[in-house]
Amino acid sequence: AQSVAQPEDQVNVAEGNPLTVKCTYSVSGNPYLFWYVQYPNRGLQFLLKYITGDNLVKGSYGFEAEFNKSQTSFHLKKPSALVSDSALYFCAVRAPTGGGNKLTFGTGTQLKVEL
Amino acid sequence: EPEVTQTPSHQVTQMGQEVILRCVPISNHLYFYWYRQILGQKVEFLVSFYNNEISEKSEIFDDQFSVERPDGSNFTLKIRSTKLEDSAMYFCASRYGTSGGRSTDTQYFGPGTRLTVL
Repeated sequence: AQSVAQPEDQVNVAEGNPLTVKCTYSVSGNPYLFWYVQYPNRGLQFLLKYITGDNLVKGSYGFEAEFNKSQTSFHLKKPSALVSDSALYFCAVRAPTGGGNKLTFGTGTQLKVEL
Repeated sequence: EPEVTQTPSHQVTQMGQEVILRCVPISNHLYFYWYRQILGQKVEFLVSFYNNEISEKSEIFDDQFSVERPDGSNFTLKIRSTKLEDSAMYFCASRYGTSGGRSTDTQYFGPGTRLTVL
């Protein structure tokens, strides 16, 4: 069975500082990994994904994530946080094969960026 | 940019009543999904749908649930007899799939329908 762990319920960071939101995964085979962001009363917005290739993937709004196979991690990063980045962030994994290609989500990390 | 849309945004119903949640996936997408998020909890997979049949379903998706693509644009989730524990945000998602060498694995989500069962 596939699973995702987001060990931090909340991450606080000052505006302008770098941010990291942690994610580790478990899946059979090579993982397909995703980050989504959820603003209050909104749906899930796709940020970025890793399927294959370079371990560092770049996504929307200046976010990037680094795939580390040995540590089974896919941490989300941004060099300089903005107050507008404050939201709920979900990491998700998908097995490379399988009928429905379902996503399994982590419990989410609330990011709070303060002035 | 094309989006997944869902109606209604909020549905209140009495326990035991039937509800139908509606979704319009992105027009050229081939794979459709329903997920739910109970307040304060993580997003959970319910069902996936491709080529007019269910591809995979979770243990949550019991006989009270059904999905349908009644026409070329809508994708619906029906809950036959709602229970209090069905109260959640329900998200529809769609994915293009793979065709002619073009592949996309990204699922795009709608804004959700908040279902409240009283």
